[in-house]
Amino acid sequence: DADVTQTPRNRITKTGKRIMLECSQTKGHDRMYWYRQDPGLGLRLIYYSFDVKDINKGEISDGYSVSRQAQAKFSLSLESAIPNQTALYFCATSAPDRGKETQYFGPGTRLLVL
Amino acid sequence: EDQVTQSPEALRLQEGESSSLNCSYTVSGLRGLFWYRQDPGKGPEFLFTLYSAGEEKEKERLKATLTKKESFLHITAPKPEDSATYLCAVQASGNNDMRFGAGTRLTVKP
Repeated sequence: DADVTQTPRNRITKTGKRIMLECSQTKGHDRMYWYRQDPGLGLRLIYYSFDVKDINKGEISDGYSVSRQAQAKFSLSLESAIPNQTALYFCATSAPDRGKETQYFGPGTRLLVL
Repeated sequence: EDQVTQSPEALRLQEGESSSLNCSYTVSGLRGLFWYRQDPGKGPEFLFTLYSAGEEKEKERLKATLTKKESFLHITAPKPEDSATYLCAVQASGNNDMRFGAGTRLTVKP
């Protein structure tokens, strides 16, 4: 079974709708992240969380919100979806180890906003 | 501001034709430089982390090197299954996020 899972894998929605993307992990990591990927722009950080009570904005948090329901679950919400939020969304997890840290990514959610 | 630039954007090689991918970076104190492989429709797959200039890491046909300004991913005698997008990312000291480059899309023809 995959260590980091994302649901749904594909989603089509309409402008103005609220949607939620979910991420679950079995790696036992405390840190979780949400990124979006656009062609030619690479991955950009939306939000990250270092534990259940910790939420931090990333580079492009406007229009998004997150919820850390448990150590293993981190959800991303689009409050009112707009077409330029069409992108590939990835969840990642990590655990620091003596100052070193590697992020491990889920399979992604492809979102289309009409 | 931390920046990561990867070149070339795309690279086409014949099977067996060795080459290198470049990742140039500017960061206020490097905590780590990461290489990932991404196949179409999938999440990035971790390859290497480099922490200090002069460090090298190898895995099968891939070898990553690091200087104070750039990193190279050398591909020796590539095979078609090495075709993928290769992503580079940096993490700065005192910073909790990673800054990614746009990637190099590698195609290896048989």
